[in-house]
Amino acid sequence: EPEVTQTPSHQVTQMGQEVILRCVPISNHLYFYWYRQILGQKVEFLVSFYNNEISEKSEIFDDQFSVERPDGSNFTLKIRSTKLEDSAMYFCASSFDRSGNTIYFGEGSWLTVV
Amino acid sequence: EDQVTQSPEALRLQEGESSSLNCSYTVSGLRGLFWYRQDPGKGPEFLFTLYSAGEEKEKERLKATLTKKESFLHITAPKPEDSATYLCAVQDGNTPLVFGKGTRLSVIA
Repeated sequence: EPEVTQTPSHQVTQMGQEVILRCVPISNHLYFYWYRQILGQKVEFLVSFYNNEISEKSEIFDDQFSVERPDGSNFTLKIRSTKLEDSAMYFCASSFDRSGNTIYFGEGSWLTVV
Repeated sequence: EDQVTQSPEALRLQEGESSSLNCSYTVSGLRGLFWYRQDPGKGPEFLFTLYSAGEEKEKERLKATLTKKESFLHITAPKPEDSATYLCAVQDGNTPLVFGKGTRLSVIA
């Protein structure tokens, strides 16, 4: 069964450092997303990406964050100058269509900022 | 104001004790209501999508139903392996998914 894969599964980084989280979405999907979940809290939307550009972003997704599809398979989230409050589980997700279509999630990348 | 409210926050059942989880929502143009299962430290695992009031879907011991204001996830004769957090999410028009806080289910043998 096709799945969304994410690397790394866990990353510890020093405050102020840059991190890149990587994702391989399901191969025939066209829409890609990043969500995050702070420990004990709701899953929150960060950004959606379609046709090589951001289609929507939340208030959380400020200038510290960026996304990229560097090749035909990978989708990355870059966090510049990490802060303690960036510690969370980051989920990549993908869907074939945008509206009403099931969004499939990866297993997540747990980011710990120290 | 939360668009998605799930209740109860936590539920403890004996094995075989059937029950229901509730997800109430306030969106104007529902495009889809989604149920996911989340195990600790893992990503949400897709269970069901419901699109219109009156729709029902089943998978093994789980059955999801939808009205104009809420959805129920019915669990029949649960087993310990059904223990997880169950997440409800809604899509309003073309907006991103909005998740509820989840119901943490524990099934005791």
